[in-house]
Amino acid sequence: QVQLVESGGGVVQPGKSLRLSCAVSGFIFSNYAMHWVRQAPGKGLEWVAVISSDGNNKYNVDSVKGRFTISRDNSKNTLYLQMNSLRAEDTAVYYCAKGQSSGVIGGIDAYWGQGTLVTVSS
Amino acid sequence: DVVMTQSPLSLPVTLGQPASISCRSSQSLVYSDGNTYLNWFQQRPGQSPRRLFYKVSKRDLGVPDRFSGSGSGTDFTLKISRVEAEDVGVYYCMQGTQWSFTFGPGTRVDI
Repeated sequence: QVQLVESGGGVVQPGKSLRLSCAVSGFIFSNYAMHWVRQAPGKGLEWVAVISSDGNNKYNVDSVKGRFTISRDNSKNTLYLQMNSLRAEDTAVYYCAKGQSSGVIGGIDAYWGQGTLVTVSS
Repeated sequence: DVVMTQSPLSLPVTLGQPASISCRSSQSLVYSDGNTYLNWFQQRPGQSPRRLFYKVSKRDLGVPDRFSGSGSGTDFTLKISRVEAEDVGVYYCMQGTQWSFTFGPGTRVDI
């Protein structure tokens, strides 16, 4: 069955970096766009970034532009989120989610990971 | 960016009674391919979000038929015909038509 497993979360100081990973199984990873979505404690969902199936098209929300980079390794069925210059407001549970199609448009499919918590604090 | 609004933000419900959530977008969600990429998600306490509908009204596998999605353009609705206890949670609409994709603020459904 489809599985998405995030890892890499933890406690990090402001200004430092962290890389999240999302290991995928159960579908042809290289055929689908992938997303990162985050949820601050007690808050709603915020879409963070998307990458097309071939990795050539990437978009992210303005609040992380220049700091976060989404990438993927189709040979390893793994999605990444490199987070630099972290701020307290980046504290959240980060979910990876399967895209609806190969392209970035279309939204998020039914499959999400369980999330990994990132806490930015001194 | 497309701004998504939902109403109400809190919805007390009675078991067995209907419930309805409105979602509005600041711009039309009709994409150039003719599709409207409006999704509905349910998030039960302590769980990851679960998609209920895509392209406005296409129900995901396993979603009970007491749930329905409708709407067009900028105006969308999620309806529950008869609320059950397992429907408690927060419901989000999300647009996938124009990046930066955006979620609504969520509607908390409580018995």
